[in-house]
Amino acid sequence: ILNVEQSPQSLHVQEGDSTNFTCSFPSSNFYALHWYRWETAKSPEALFVMTLNGDEKKKGRISATLNTKEGYSYLYIKGSQPEDSATYLCAFRQGAQKLVFGQGTRLTINP
Amino acid sequence: EAGVAQSPRYKIIEKRQSVAFWCNPISGHATLYWYQQILGQGPKLLIQFQNNGVVDDSQLPKDRFSAERLKGVDSTLKIQPAKLEDSAVYLCASTVSRDTQYFGPGTRLTVL
Repeated sequence: ILNVEQSPQSLHVQEGDSTNFTCSFPSSNFYALHWYRWETAKSPEALFVMTLNGDEKKKGRISATLNTKEGYSYLYIKGSQPEDSATYLCAFRQGAQKLVFGQGTRLTINP
Repeated sequence: EAGVAQSPRYKIIEKRQSVAFWCNPISGHATLYWYQQILGQGPKLLIQFQNNGVVDDSQLPKDRFSAERLKGVDSTLKIQPAKLEDSAVYLCASTVSRDTQYFGPGTRLTVL
């Protein structure tokens, strides 16, 4: 059974501060790592699909890095805003298998 | 482009009752997924369809859950009879490939 772990489980950050959190996954037979943002009462929204070791992707104030050899990805948010409050999910695909999701990091931005 | 549609958005039922959820994927997306997300856990795949055929239903509790996608477009997921532990958000997603999955807003089910 694949184990995808996210930490921390929840995080409270002051508006304007930067933050980051981690997704850990098995390092063998890597295919892809996905990041999603899920705001309350909305659909989970795809942020990044990462496939190559050393990948760095950026979307506005949000960026992500990938280390497939050691099995982790970091998500960074620079200058947090209230609209960044959401649950951030990572999902790992190993080879031709299905996506396996972590339990998510619930981020709350305090104004 | 319209997104993935799901209904109802919320449902409250008593244990042992039946419930059905509906999903309409993005037009042209051949692959459709149903996930169950229990509070505090990540979404867990229940069933994957490719057109109207089942690709993976290894984690679907088949004694009480069923799903169909008769014409290869929209899909229904049914629970009969429901148990307390079925309380969760049921997410539908669709994709054209094994890349990004596009999710609907989910149905939040509460079983009393």
